[in-house]
Amino acid sequence: QLQLQESGPGLVKPSGTLSLTCTVSGDSISSISYYWGWIRQPPGKGLEWIANVYYGGNANYNPSLKSRVTISADTSKNQFSLNLASVTAADTAVYYCVREWRLEAGHVFDVWGQGAMVTVSS
Amino acid sequence: EIVMTQSPATLSVSPGGRVTLSCRASQSVNNKLAWYQQKPGQAPRLLIYHASTRATGIAARFSGSGSGTDFTLTISSLQSEDFAVYYCQQYNNWPPYTFGQGTKLEIK
Repeated sequence: QLQLQESGPGLVKPSGTLSLTCTVSGDSISSISYYWGWIRQPPGKGLEWIANVYYGGNANYNPSLKSRVTISADTSKNQFSLNLASVTAADTAVYYCVREWRLEAGHVFDVWGQGAMVTVSS
Repeated sequence: EIVMTQSPATLSVSPGGRVTLSCRASQSVNNKLAWYQQKPGQAPRLLIYHASTRATGIAARFSGSGSGTDFTLTISSLQSEDFAVYYCQQYNNWPPYTFGQGTKLEIK
C-alpha cells in the first residue's frame, strides 16, 4: 500500500530555512505517471500548492513562493524534499507531501501524507 | 492565477438529507476540476476529478457536475461521516494549482 511520510523539524526560526523530506513506500517515485509535490495549510485556513517535481528532476513552483522554494527528488532513497528559505510566521502551516496523478491537462492529488506541522517562531 | 470561489462557507444539513456545494472559477477551467474532502485532523481525500468522475473507492452518493466556470458537488443521503470540509481545485491552468477556500458541512 502506498504511503507518504513527511519528516523534518517542527520548529524553525524566523529568517531560517524550512526543510522537509517525504519518504515514499509502496511505489517508486520513478513512475512515469506521477509527479510528487508539496501542499500547505495554515492553521484554520485553506490549501496552497507549493511545488512539484518529476523523478527526472523537472520541477514546477507556485509563482508566489518560487523565489524561496527548492524541491528535489532522490530516486535512490525514494524520497523528495522541500526547502523554503527566509521563513516568517506566515509560513507556519501543516505541510503535506502528495502524489500528483498526471491527467491530460494537469494533476490531481490522489495520495497524501499525514501532514507535518511546522511552526516559525523564535 | 485562477481564483476559485466556493459557496456557501458553511452549510448546515440534517443526516439523510441531500446537499449541493458550489465552486466557481474566475475563468474557464473546462472540466479540469477536482473535489476533496477533509475531516478534522486528517489530510484531504480526493473525491472527484474531471468534474464528474469519482475517484477509486468513493461512494456513489457523491456526484459532481459542471464545466467552464461553474461546478457543483452533490451528496445525496448524507451520512454522519460526510460532515467535513470540502475543497474544489482547478488543474486546467498551472502553475499554480489553486483551491477554493472550502465549504464546511455541519450537522443541523
